[in-house]
Amino acid sequence: EAGVTQFPSHSVIEKGQTVTLRCDPISGHDNLYWYRRVMGKEIKFLLHFVKESKQDESGMPNNRFLAERTGGTYSTLKVQPAELEDSGVYFCASSQDHPVRDTQYFGPGTRLTVL
Amino acid sequence: AQSVTQLDSQVPVFEEAPVELRCNYSSSVSVYLFWYVQYPNQGLQLLLKYLSGSTLVKGINGFEAEFNKSQTSFHLRKPSVHISDTAEYFCAVTRRQAGTALIFGKGTTLSVSS
Repeated sequence: EAGVTQFPSHSVIEKGQTVTLRCDPISGHDNLYWYRRVMGKEIKFLLHFVKESKQDESGMPNNRFLAERTGGTYSTLKVQPAELEDSGVYFCASSQDHPVRDTQYFGPGTRLTVL
Repeated sequence: AQSVTQLDSQVPVFEEAPVELRCNYSSSVSVYLFWYVQYPNQGLQLLLKYLSGSTLVKGINGFEAEFNKSQTSFHLRKPSVHISDTAEYFCAVTRRQAGTALIFGKGTTLSVSS
């Protein structure tokens, strides 16, 4: 069974540009999460989808971030326009059934560098 | 709100030595507790989790952790480490009643040398 995949693995962009990160969860997992780790800090929750609906987006830093989950399958996280402080590693995770008891499986992350 | 403190940012040990990675949490509600590991260039992998029941939890790769409610701790231990255990380890909690976000500590880098 394929794990959680993320694309791209690395992205380097200029301040003010737009970047779109993609996450493909494990097949059949209704729950999809985005997290971010800024250098030297802890991994922080951004938002949670249940199928195509946003269940909790309390961690989204501002309106420059837009997350979507088309048809309850893959998800994209768009940053527009990107700022220097958006640099970090963006992780996606997915889980099935009970959103707490079931394990969140993480992807390898996308390392975003904003210059 | 919940918070997690990993007391050591780096832990260097020699191969075959025992190791303990410390984790304390703060929460006004009951929580579930997790340890994740991130090997170089890989995603986070679940080592073990505490949901309820026995306070000693066994995980993969010979790791175990003990939940101590009175001390609000969930320390990770391994009696004998290998070079391949070199990685970053994250302690995390999540609320039981509602919400599903994992709250992570800052991570502990375990470096095992021969």
